[in-house]
Amino acid sequence: GNSVTQMEGPVTLSEEAFLTINCTYTATGYPSLFWYVQYPGEGLQLLLKATKADDKGSNKGFEATYRKETTSFHLEKGSVQVSDSAVYFCALPTNRDDKIIFGKGTRLHILP
Amino acid sequence: KAGVTQTPRYLIKTRGQQVTLSCSPISGHRSVSWYQQTPGQGLQFLFEYFSETQRNKGNFPGRFSGRQFSNSRSEMNVSTLELGDSALYLCASSPQGGRNNEQFFGPGTRLTVL
Repeated sequence: GNSVTQMEGPVTLSEEAFLTINCTYTATGYPSLFWYVQYPGEGLQLLLKATKADDKGSNKGFEATYRKETTSFHLEKGSVQVSDSAVYFCALPTNRDDKIIFGKGTRLHILP
Repeated sequence: KAGVTQTPRYLIKTRGQQVTLSCSPISGHRSVSWYQQTPGQGLQFLFEYFSETQRNKGNFPGRFSGRQFSNSRSEMNVSTLELGDSALYLCASSPQGGRNNEQFFGPGTRLTVL
């Protein structure tokens, strides 16, 4: 069945550094792919999504491109801020029903 | 529009007790899903309700149950609590559910079992 693997954290960067959080997936067909973010003390919220191959999702300076050839959906941001400190989850739906599978999450710490 | 609300936010119980958690979805949303989040297992899907019917179920024992009311509000019940049930329980709603649609999460209920 469908699955998702993302890099383990924590990831610690200095403010204004470039960010990449890796996410690879195994899927039947071409499901939508998602990145969710969880800020401290809050639930998850959708950061961006891509619905088909070569689509680029973007929001709040974050981007991720749906790469069919490498089965990847890496999250990138050119210049991170302290306020980006959070846990980031890569996700996709299962291939049999409407459940969403989440990666283990990557904790990001941004130092001022 | 008000977001997804969950009550209570924090709960402390002892082993063997039972607990009921409540979730109010965004107005107009008919799908409500529940997840268990722990540091070791990450986010695990419990179940999804749509129009008062359980539509999907994860791999949890029968001690975990839920229901949805006609106003789409949902409750989750855990009976005979175990230490391992300590977790953040998240509720998420969406208009219709579905594999390609965004889910809107509440802040969660932090359950501690002593």
